[in-house]
Amino acid sequence: GQNIDQPTEMTATEGAIVQINCTYQTSGFNGLFWYQQHAGEAPTFLSYNVLDGLEEKGRFSSFLSRSKGYSYLLLKELQMKDSASYLCAVRGSSNTGKLIFGQGTTLQVKP
Amino acid sequence: DTEVTQTPKHLVMGMTNKKSLKCEQHMGHRAMYWYKQKAKKPPELMFVYSYEKLSINESVPSRFSPECPNSSLLNLHLHALQPEDSALYLCASSQGGNLGQGGNDGYTFGSGTRLTVV
Repeated sequence: GQNIDQPTEMTATEGAIVQINCTYQTSGFNGLFWYQQHAGEAPTFLSYNVLDGLEEKGRFSSFLSRSKGYSYLLLKELQMKDSASYLCAVRGSSNTGKLIFGQGTTLQVKP
Repeated sequence: DTEVTQTPKHLVMGMTNKKSLKCEQHMGHRAMYWYKQKAKKPPELMFVYSYEKLSINESVPSRFSPECPNSSLLNLHLHALQPEDSALYLCASSQGGNLGQGGNDGYTFGSGTRLTVV
């Protein structure tokens, strides 16, 4: 079967750092994506990992360990506008482009 | 143009109506997708088109009928829907093709159509 797990909700303080974890078990692996989605809006692409290690992009970083089936999204210098749902998605096959999404983590940033 | 455009943004339809959702992209992407998203849930894949051919149908009821008239357009025809079909319908596109290892082929999502079936 295919399973992607993320915490349902997280709360953090403005200016702080937060780490959102994602574990996955999928038939095949060809990349892991993180998306941000504000309520009522479309998901927007944040990051992509296919090899082990850390990818940094401004205030956002994403890490992947393929042997552990594990990824995290790190958000630094949190801002109020970072309050959103964060979706972890795995592409199992290179042929179809099909992404399987986790349930999403709702992050609330408080002043 | 780096956008996926969906119309209409909002749609209210009765259970006996026939309507269509439209999606358009001009990024040269060869894979296009329909996803359904209920409130506080992740997007669920409905259909995948690759090079204008239907490649994946995730056991979607026949009251949803996709169509890909050309490489830039994707439609979703709706007929005899049920109230439980009310959701946000998202279209997405990606570069497509067999990228092999390392291909960053993330989706670009449209802003969605908020569908309410009454």
